[in-house]
Amino acid sequence: NAGVTQTPKFRVLKTGQSMTLLCAQDMNHEYMYWYRQDPGMGLRLIHYSVGEGTTAKGEVPDGYNVSRLKKQNFLLGLESAAPSQTSVYFCASSYGPSPASDTQYFGPGTRLTVL
Amino acid sequence: KQEVTQIPAALSVPEGENLVLNCSFTDSAIYNLQWFRQDPGKGLTSLLLIQSSQREQTSGRLNASLDKSSGRSTLYIAASQPGDSATYLCAASGTYKYIFGTGTRLKVLA
Repeated sequence: NAGVTQTPKFRVLKTGQSMTLLCAQDMNHEYMYWYRQDPGMGLRLIHYSVGEGTTAKGEVPDGYNVSRLKKQNFLLGLESAAPSQTSVYFCASSYGPSPASDTQYFGPGTRLTVL
Repeated sequence: KQEVTQIPAALSVPEGENLVLNCSFTDSAIYNLQWFRQDPGKGLTSLLLIQSSQREQTSGRLNASLDKSSGRSTLYIAASQPGDSATYLCAASGTYKYIFGTGTRLKVLA
């Protein structure tokens, strides 16, 4: 199993450009998450999904959109990139909400720089 | 609103020492608490998950405890090794969501 994979690994954008980050998991997990990690601020939840076709806002959703058209994929879109969106983006997935099975599995991250 | 704090932010210890990392959270109504390890430039790896009804979990040289009433969790690492050098993060889970601490950066000196 590949686990959680993220595409691309690195990207540099100019202000105003758009892009989509792809997250894929092969563990048949229902729940998927997008986080951003910034120095001194830990990981913050952007959006999450509790199943195919569903999405919900996390702590810092502004400037991002997501889609979960297939159970195994969770896409994060930036419509008009801003320098404040320079960050490392992590995708994660988990089997479900029960305490015993809620272990989150993380992808390797995407390092995004917006100039 | 849940807030998670980890102290200290950084820690250096000689090889072989036993050590404790601390995590505190403000809202005791958590679903579970999870400890992660993050190596530089890498993603997070789950180390231990403690359910809200549990007091501790153990895996090899690692032991994590949870005290919901005081809003605290600790990660105990026995006989530390240079390979344990990494950033350790704790995360408190509410419904569907995890709130992460900012981590403790551990360096084990050979």
